[in-house]
Amino acid sequence: DIVMTQSPDSLAVSLGERATINCKSSQSVLYSSDNKNYLAWYQQKPGQPPKLLIYWASIRESGVPDRFSGSGSGTDFTLTISSLQAEDVAVYSCQQSYSTPFTFGGGTKVEIK
Amino acid sequence: EAHLVESGGGLVQPGGSLRLSCAASGFTASSNYMSWVRQAPGKGLEWVSVIYSGGNTFYGDSVKGRFSISRDNSKNTLYLQMNSLRPEDTAVYYCARGRSCGTSYVFDYWGQGTLVTVSS
Repeated sequence: DIVMTQSPDSLAVSLGERATINCKSSQSVLYSSDNKNYLAWYQQKPGQPPKLLIYWASIRESGVPDRFSGSGSGTDFTLTISSLQAEDVAVYSCQQSYSTPFTFGGGTKVEIK
Repeated sequence: EAHLVESGGGLVQPGGSLRLSCAASGFTASSNYMSWVRQAPGKGLEWVSVIYSGGNTFYGDSVKGRFSISRDNSKNTLYLQMNSLRPEDTAVYYCARGRSCGTSYVFDYWGQGTLVTVSS
């Protein structure tokens, strides 16, 4: 199984500041035949189900604000919130869909400083 | 718009069984990948199972041989039959739609979840 490791476990950021979350996979999730990274990011607010933010490592889902961006390739990925808003308080999780089981990272809790 | 509603959760004793349901609306479940994902209290997300549009099924190692995913196309409903339940199966179980994405899929719609508690 591919192990997904996120860091940090939690972070506190001031409103309007940048938040950066890292995700590392135990093996590459880059599929050579289409040159796409099968890595997605989800946001989960308290008491709610996860919401898809980004797929293919860097493609924003429709309706997701452009302050959210994803980057990285192979085994190392980053989710960046360029200017943290109060409504961004949530747990963010990465997930690989390169091979079953489609494993998730442990999650990173983002709070307001 | 797609909508998913889970039901069937509750309190069950270790070794017992439970069947979860996920009613889909706004799309045809049998034409999509449909998955179950669970989240233990205070923990991260764990992928449990998937049924492909063609009917193939796959399971996570922790539930293989105990859980079974299926669907009723006439009811547009997904199921998860859970047998030989253990305390570590305690979690909120989410039903999620997998949207085809290249050679794989992403979970673009989720239900609100149903809580399963395994305890004596």
